[in-house]
Amino acid sequence: GDSVTQMEGPVTLSEEAFLTINCTYTATGYPSLFWYVQYPGEGLQLLLKATKADDKGSNKGFEATYRKETTSFHLEKGSVQVSDSAVYFCALMKSYGKLTFGQGTILTVHP
Amino acid sequence: DVKVTQSSRYLVKRTGEKVFLECVQDMDHENMFWYRQDPGLGLRLIYFSYDVKMKEKGDIPEGYSVSREKKERFSLILESASTNQTSMYLCASSLRASGGEKLFFGSGTQLSVL
Repeated sequence: GDSVTQMEGPVTLSEEAFLTINCTYTATGYPSLFWYVQYPGEGLQLLLKATKADDKGSNKGFEATYRKETTSFHLEKGSVQVSDSAVYFCALMKSYGKLTFGQGTILTVHP
Repeated sequence: DVKVTQSSRYLVKRTGEKVFLECVQDMDHENMFWYRQDPGLGLRLIYFSYDVKMKEKGDIPEGYSVSREKKERFSLILESASTNQTSMYLCASSLRASGGEKLFFGSGTQLSVL
């Protein structure tokens, strides 16, 4: 079946450091790919998405590129802030409306 | 802004009790979902509904049922709670017209079964 694998966490960085959170997926066909973020005490919210190969999703300084050849959708940010501390979830959608999530990666950014 | 409201933030129940988790959304979304979130496992889909009175099993439906009598409300029912159902439960909704891609989540209900 479809699955999403994220890099093991937690990830701890200093402010202004470069961030990469790896995400790979297993699915037949051409799923849409997503990154969701969960800030402390809040529900998940959509961060960015890409719907076809080579698409780049971006939002709030975060970027991720849909790489079909490597079945990956790694999340990057050039300079993280303390306010980026959260749990990040990679997800894919094949069937209408149904998301399959990865296990989540906890990011902590120190001043 | 879309609001998805879950009735309780924290809930403590005893083994064998029947438990109801309620979710209400205020943006006329057709699709509603129940997930459970466990450390190291991410979110797993329990049940979902594409319309009133419609329901489909997700990946882990065993021990759960759902009810959708009104478009805005989606209830998750634990018929006989067990300790392995201790978890964070997340409700979500999405709009059919947008392809259902953007889910709006509630803040979650942390259920402890003792």
